[in-house]
Amino acid sequence: EADIYQTPRYLVIGTGKKITLECSQTMGHDKMYWYQQDPGMELHLIHYSYGVNSTEKGDLSSESTVSRIRTEHFPLTLESARPSHTSQYLCASSAAGTTNTGELFFGEGSRLTVL
Amino acid sequence: AQSVTQPDIHITVSEGASLELRCNYSYGATPYLFWYVQSPGQGLQLLLKYFSGDTLVQGIKGFEAEFKRSQSSFNLRKPSVHWSDAAEYFCAVGNQAGTALIFGKGTTLSVSS
Repeated sequence: EADIYQTPRYLVIGTGKKITLECSQTMGHDKMYWYQQDPGMELHLIHYSYGVNSTEKGDLSSESTVSRIRTEHFPLTLESARPSHTSQYLCASSAAGTTNTGELFFGEGSRLTVL
Repeated sequence: AQSVTQPDIHITVSEGASLELRCNYSYGATPYLFWYVQSPGQGLQLLLKYFSGDTLVQGIKGFEAEFKRSQSSFNLRKPSVHWSDAAEYFCAVGNQAGTALIFGKGTTLSVSS
């Protein structure tokens, strides 16, 4: 059983509000990821981190930002939410080095609705 | 370009019947291949993975998949589907370096009684 947690699970918020989606893992994984998932579409990588103080943008352009101050924590922030940000956001982590088999462990997701 | 194609958007199978979900990939390096399942409102759970060795891999819940390098395919199979298998299934490709996985668009499986 993977130990990666996302909060909130569901969030409905008005346009212009600042939101932070939390993601924490207790597996000691160096690598963490944020994917955006829309119905009928593949998961799109929006941010990733290979360790503390390391963050990179993914393949899909996103107005969100991330930080990695601690190994176990990888929050995603939207400074000013818009209806186009309505989506499901999935956080994942993976091991690095010789123990890595490429597998990602996923949280249960945060479904964001911006009105 | 690196990509994963799942040709079937939606499949309906009778309970007890066999199942095959198709996955084709395009990847420059030696691929690590995965199948994940997602139930409504949930995250993704790993069903099985292939990165070396026997090309027929066994996973959880009675699923198996076969890696065919010549066809760039990694199809998922189950001999007898249960109603609880209704979910969305995602095929993904990655590499030994452990970079982010590339996912297909998913196949929704419905199970009829």
